[in-house]
Amino acid sequence: RKEVEQDPGPFNVPEGATVAFNCTYSNSASQSFFWYRQDCRKEPKLLMSVYSSGNEDGRFTAQLNRASQYISLLIRDSKLSDSATYLCVVNPLNQGGKLIFGQGTELSVKP
Amino acid sequence: NAGVTQTPKFRVLKTGQSMTLLCAQDMNHEYMYWYRQDPGMGLRLIHYSVGEGTTAKGEVPDGYNVSRLKKQNFLLGLESAAPSQTSVYFCASTPGNTIYFGEGSWLTVV
Repeated sequence: RKEVEQDPGPFNVPEGATVAFNCTYSNSASQSFFWYRQDCRKEPKLLMSVYSSGNEDGRFTAQLNRASQYISLLIRDSKLSDSATYLCVVNPLNQGGKLIFGQGTELSVKP
Repeated sequence: NAGVTQTPKFRVLKTGQSMTLLCAQDMNHEYMYWYRQDPGMGLRLIHYSVGEGTTAKGEVPDGYNVSRLKKQNFLLGLESAAPSQTSVYFCASTPGNTIYFGEGSWLTVV
């Protein structure tokens, strides 16, 4: 089993749709979680950190479920500019700073 | 503030040649990482460092070596390049929370 797994893509949605991505992790000692966005042939950029209580940033909501070991990202009112690959990142505290990425989920928002 | 800088950005190598990718960060971060990204594979960790003078293996270390002689620099070496090492390489650094990436180095081995 991979340490971090994401929903397979691609997700093709119309503008205005709500879309949700899930990411599961295998190391129960993991402490830090993030969602990154990556545009084609560009470096990943931080979208948002994921806090235990859940957090929201505009149209984006991130949640963490420690019991089931998954994090989620919800995008409301999708825009064409949201088209990108979304990467889940986990920092297992007991692996000395090792950052593990999921394979990414591609989102394509259509007019 | 340059952030994380990778050099070179593009390189074509012949099988068996050696080369070094340089990652430099000016943010005084302890942690630095080298990833490779292939189509449909996501980012895979090659090697990482938790401080000056330290290195550790990631998921796919074979065929690569690294050094962190200075805190701001993390070097990735290919001693004998193989076509399977054709990829985009990303360097990253972090103080422990937000991860900062370089713009990537496109390497082709023919």
